[in-house]
Amino acid sequence: AQSVTQPDIHITVSEGASLELRCNYSYGATPYLFWYVQSPGQGLQLLLKYFSGDTLVQGIKGFEAEFKRSQSSFNLRKPSVHWSDAAEYFCAVGAHLSGGYNKLIFGAGTRLAVHP
Amino acid sequence: EAQVTQNPRYLITVTGKKLTVTCSQNMNHEYMSWYRQDPGLGLRQIYYSMNVEVTDKGDVPEGYKVSRKEKRNFPLILESPSPNQTSLYFCASSPGTANYGYTFGSGTRLTVV
Repeated sequence: AQSVTQPDIHITVSEGASLELRCNYSYGATPYLFWYVQSPGQGLQLLLKYFSGDTLVQGIKGFEAEFKRSQSSFNLRKPSVHWSDAAEYFCAVGAHLSGGYNKLIFGAGTRLAVHP
Repeated sequence: EAQVTQNPRYLITVTGKKLTVTCSQNMNHEYMSWYRQDPGLGLRQIYYSMNVEVTDKGDVPEGYKVSRKEKRNFPLILESPSPNQTSLYFCASSPGTANYGYTFGSGTRLTVV
């Protein structure tokens, strides 16, 4: 069955430090992979997505993610974190279902805190 | 502005009192979906709709109903809410295939007492 695992529930980094959020997926075919961010009291905003091609994907707000098929991973990175990056981050895989429907399966999320 | 609009943003209700959470999108998207978000569980799909009059159950449909009479609207109905339906609910829409991802509404925080 398709699934997404985000091993880190909470992460705290200092402002200006680098960041890597981990995501592992389980999916039989070539996956569609996404990272969303949820700021406090807000909905989910798409940071970036991977379908095929270059395995290093650039997104908004200075984020990037690297798809590694051999490790079934899609880790999110940022070289220098800003206080405004404090939020909850969700990794998701797009799964094909019968009848042509495509469903997003989410991980449990990683809550990021940023220290000044 | 392209968006998904949910109402209300916050709702406190009592057990058994029927309620409806509305969802509307202005992007002419075919796919719409409802998710609930609970701590430690991420987002779980309740129901989805592939087009007008076409709906199907997601992973946690018990206690919920939906309808899709118009392309833009996809209301979530709780006929007899219970405390275990206290959650944060999101409506989302997509043009179609999974590679587009979803556009999410701002969420509805529901408390059932």
